[in-house]
Amino acid sequence: AQSVTQPDIHITVSEGASLELRCNYSYGATPYLFWYVQSPGQGLQLLLKYFSGDTLVQGIKGFEAEFKRSQSSFNLRKPSVHWSDAAEYFCAVGAGAAGNKLTFGGGTRVLVKP
Amino acid sequence: NAGVTQTPKFQVLKTGQSMTLQCAQDMNHEYMSWYRQDPGMGLRLIHYSVGAGITDQGEVPNGYNVSRSTTEDFPLRLLSAAPSQTSVYFCASRAVRTDTQYFGPGTRLTVL
Repeated sequence: AQSVTQPDIHITVSEGASLELRCNYSYGATPYLFWYVQSPGQGLQLLLKYFSGDTLVQGIKGFEAEFKRSQSSFNLRKPSVHWSDAAEYFCAVGAGAAGNKLTFGGGTRVLVKP
Repeated sequence: NAGVTQTPKFQVLKTGQSMTLQCAQDMNHEYMSWYRQDPGMGLRLIHYSVGAGITDQGEVPNGYNVSRSTTEDFPLRLLSAAPSQTSVYFCASRAVRTDTQYFGPGTRLTVL
């Protein structure tokens, strides 16, 4: 069975600084990988996804993620954080038809200091 | 399009009561899923459906029933609520030819 680990429960970053969120996965086949963001009291919004091809993927809101098969990682990065990036971020691995069944990590809550 | 809608937004139940969480989507998506979100555990898949009349269990199905009589609707039933079912519930849908799941706004359920 697949699993996802997000080692950092909370991260605090200053506005304008860079951000990196870690994600490690376990899956027997080629993974479908996703990053979602959840603002307080809201549902989940897809930031980006990786299915195959270029291992560096670009997403919305200036986020990018890099798939590293050798490290079973799919870390999320943003060069310069804005106050509106304060939210909870979830990494997920998809199984089943084109990754329909998602297994999520526990999430990383990002706080942005002015 | 309204996307994925869920009702109610909040609900308080007593142990042993039953209720149905509603989920509807107007995007003609084949796939629909129910997840529960608990602190520190991310979202966990409860049940999913790949089309009308077809449902299957996810990671944490016990205590929940689903049915899919139409493409649009995918209700989640709690037959006898327990405090362990206190959670935030999210419904999601996806078209079979795409790779993006769309999530509803969630239902916050408290079982006393």
